Amino acid sequence: GESVGLHLPTLSVQEGDNSIINCAYSNSASDYFIWYKQESGKGPQFIIDIRSNMDKRQGQRVTVLLNKTVKHLSLQIAATQPGDSAVYFCAENMAGGTSYGKLTFGQGTILTVHP
Amino acid sequence: EAGVVQSPRYKIIEKKQPVAFWCNPISGHNTLYWYLQNLGQGPELLIRYENEEAVDDSQLPKDRFSAERLKGVDSTLKIQPAELGDSAVYLCASSLGRGREQYFGPGTRLTVT
Repeated sequence: GESVGLHLPTLSVQEGDNSIINCAYSNSASDYFIWYKQESGKGPQFIIDIRSNMDKRQGQRVTVLLNKTVKHLSLQIAATQPGDSAVYFCAENMAGGTSYGKLTFGQGTILTVHP
Repeated sequence: EAGVVQSPRYKIIEKKQPVAFWCNPISGHNTLYWYLQNLGQGPELLIRYENEEAVDDSQLPKDRFSAERLKGVDSTLKIQPAELGDSAVYLCASSLGRGREQYFGPGTRLTVT
């Protein structure tokens, strides 16, 4: 079936570096993508989202890029801090029909930030 | 504003025993979701409610799992009987409506021995 997946399961960076987490999706019917951060023992926390009619969206220290041609999504974290260490998930939201509003999550990338 | 509340946070039971999880969504959120999260995996939707109505339960193993959302607020998810493979984190989320941002609770970690 169609799914959302991640290229790299782990990412290790030094404090202050920029981090890039990648995600590939296969469902061309998805119109909304979200990045979540999940710390140990907690539920996923919304970071940033992007709709399919956009190719870039910026938040505080985070930027999401969407390339619909190759069905690729990335999360960029500027000046990564130890508090950014967590598992990051991308998720796609199905457009329309009975599956509208249903999130499909990828496997997740573990980000470790070293002081 | 209080977030999504779940209880218990941890539960250890023997196989074949029943177990129930409780979720209190954010006030005013009409849509409620139950997800299953296995170790190292992303959450997978089990069931979604719009108010009291279950609008998507296609991934819920109905032979042993059941859920309810009385009065369109709190919800319970039950497993009877539990199997070893049910060990996972059960997450509840809520949103203002379909397609809106979902807010997750801390989850219940279930261990079946």
